[in-house]
Amino acid sequence: SAVISQKPSRDICQRGTSLTIQCQVDSQVTMMFWYRQQPGQSLTLIATANQGSEATYESGFVIDKFPISRPNLTFSTLTVSNMSPEDSSIYLCSVTARAGFSEQYFGPGTRLTVT
Amino acid sequence: AQKITQTQPGMFVQEKEAVTLDCTYDTSDQSYGLFWYKQPSSGEMIFLIYQGSYDEQNATEGRYSLNFQKARKSANLVISASQLGDSAMYFCAMRENFGNEKLTFGTGTRLTIIP
Repeated sequence: SAVISQKPSRDICQRGTSLTIQCQVDSQVTMMFWYRQQPGQSLTLIATANQGSEATYESGFVIDKFPISRPNLTFSTLTVSNMSPEDSSIYLCSVTARAGFSEQYFGPGTRLTVT
Repeated sequence: AQKITQTQPGMFVQEKEAVTLDCTYDTSDQSYGLFWYKQPSSGEMIFLIYQGSYDEQNATEGRYSLNFQKARKSANLVISASQLGDSAMYFCAMRENFGNEKLTFGTGTRLTIIP
């Protein structure tokens, strides 16, 4: 199984600022994803991080608000821009080794509070 | 329409008893995968078990088994001999469209094990 780390593990940020979350995997993976979990809610996919090209965003999420980078097969960043209290959530990185693989793993999450 | 439905917001189970967490899904794809994750209060998402739509046998992983009834579109998680450490949120998720690895999650079930 893949070992995934995220930085920071938690942060408290002020309204209007930006935070960049890092996701590092201990092995090369085909696909990386970013999910958001708002308080008391389920997980919602923000985007698929594509290596060497622009991320693919889900409906309701835009690049200006959640810019994503993926420079190689083991690393990705998600930036939450111009934050508001509604952005307070857990942000989780997820990976799968290859398409159709039977296991998909999540990082430990970044718990973000916006004041 | 909900793609993944978990009808039990919360469950209380006596320690050492077996517990079944319900999950029904909706898809028109022939090839899909079903996942179960455990989320303790720490927020991490722990992969438990996977069932592919073409798998003829129900998946098992230690104390976890998946009761897959394809015609009824249900994928219930069974935990045998429950332990206090099983207390957590449990999410059912589906992956559709081979090659598009994103997961759609249900609303979750909060399981509490009573000593």
